[in-house]
Amino acid sequence: GQQVMQIPQYQHVQEGEDFTTYCNSSTTLSNIQWYKQRPGGHPVFLIQLVKSGEVKKQKRLTFQFGEAKKNSSLHITATQTTDVGTYFCAGRKAGGTSYGKLTFGQGTILTVHP
Amino acid sequence: GAVVSQHPSWVICKSGTSVKIECRSLDFQATTMFWYRQFPKQSLMLMATSNEGSKATYEQGVEKDKFLINHASLTLSTLTVTSAHPEDSSFYICSAGDRNQPQHFGDGTRLSIL
Repeated sequence: GQQVMQIPQYQHVQEGEDFTTYCNSSTTLSNIQWYKQRPGGHPVFLIQLVKSGEVKKQKRLTFQFGEAKKNSSLHITATQTTDVGTYFCAGRKAGGTSYGKLTFGQGTILTVHP
Repeated sequence: GAVVSQHPSWVICKSGTSVKIECRSLDFQATTMFWYRQFPKQSLMLMATSNEGSKATYEQGVEKDKFLINHASLTLSTLTVTSAHPEDSSFYICSAGDRNQPQHFGDGTRLSIL
């Protein structure tokens, strides 16, 4: 079945440092979504990427979707303590009749030290 | 924005009890909802796809007789954990959204079986 691998599993940074998490799918995706989950909370939607090679920015966050639509990355510039949480990528397999279900990566737990 | 309400937030009960969790889409109609299970510091594992007016589609390894899903209306899906045991203790979370749109998650239900 479809697998979505995400690295690293953990990332500890000093406040002000940059952070990147990478996501790789075993199959071509129709789109990929990124979510943030704070400790004790539920996943909150950040962004969806649909087009091959797409790059989107949200303030200090930059999201990229690979040309082959099988990989993606999230980069945070100058991390802040409010960025703490687990970042998940989630991909939808291209084609098929999967009712739009998402396959989540393992998540990257980000810790930011002040 | 779209809101998904999940109830209850916490459940603590004795082994052998059946527990029902509700997931409601408050401001949109959801023909499809998804149920996930999440262990501490791990990713979201899709359990089943809940389809309004038809049987749920379960992921491989998920016991359909153990985790009963009912999606009787366009705004409500329920997950019943039957005869729950300590190993069923987990964080259960639902999501809803159109086929190629971002998923909106409920707040989740923390289930503890004693």
